[in-house]
Amino acid sequence: GAVVSQHPSWVICKSGTSVKIECRSLDFQATTMFWYRQFPKQSLMLMATSNEGSKATYEQGVEKDKFLINHASLTLSTLTVTSAHPEDSSFYICSARGAAGTTYNEQFFGPGTRLTVL
Amino acid sequence: LAKTTQPISMDSYEGQEVNITCSHNNIATNDYITWYQQFPSQGPRFIIQGYKTKVTNEVASLFIPADRKSSTLSLPRVSLSDTAVYYCLVGDVDKLIFGQGTTLQVKP
Repeated sequence: GAVVSQHPSWVICKSGTSVKIECRSLDFQATTMFWYRQFPKQSLMLMATSNEGSKATYEQGVEKDKFLINHASLTLSTLTVTSAHPEDSSFYICSARGAAGTTYNEQFFGPGTRLTVL
Repeated sequence: LAKTTQPISMDSYEGQEVNITCSHNNIATNDYITWYQQFPSQGPRFIIQGYKTKVTNEVASLFIPADRKSSTLSLPRVSLSDTAVYYCLVGDVDKLIFGQGTTLQVKP
């Protein structure tokens, strides 16, 4: 149980285009989803937290107009990188957490999406 | 949020027991201690979580002293496939702050 998937697993795009990354909880309902970014040889950095049906809460320094997050259902969250530039190239990882009091009350991570912006 | 300190890297050999210690001097009363494993180009994988004393599961043990200012992840009889980065996290499940982690290299 507690499987989280991401799609695509990797994507290459041209500078100035937008890219959408999906995160799905496959066997549980995720009341909260998280998006992280990881640059090579560095640790994971939390970008934003989203609750189903609510606006995402962004960490300091993360541009909310550039990284659009939608959490429209209890099993799906999307991250859209708008007007991507080479410096946005990174490994994007999502995680999902179930409701408090359930066995899913911890963060389960997806496999990550490698974004390369040319 | 409690900050954690871990060794940057460790080396071991196959079949040995590996102990990775994490310091978290400012841990709060309600904080749990959680360890994750990450392989290159993959998302972190939950290993073990504890609050105090000792916790054991099928892959590892977690030792937490009474003052809870540190914790030790113990991996019994490591294999080459245990080569990864190990992260110690302290705090609320909704605010996981990843430190630099410990890169464990298991040699044949």
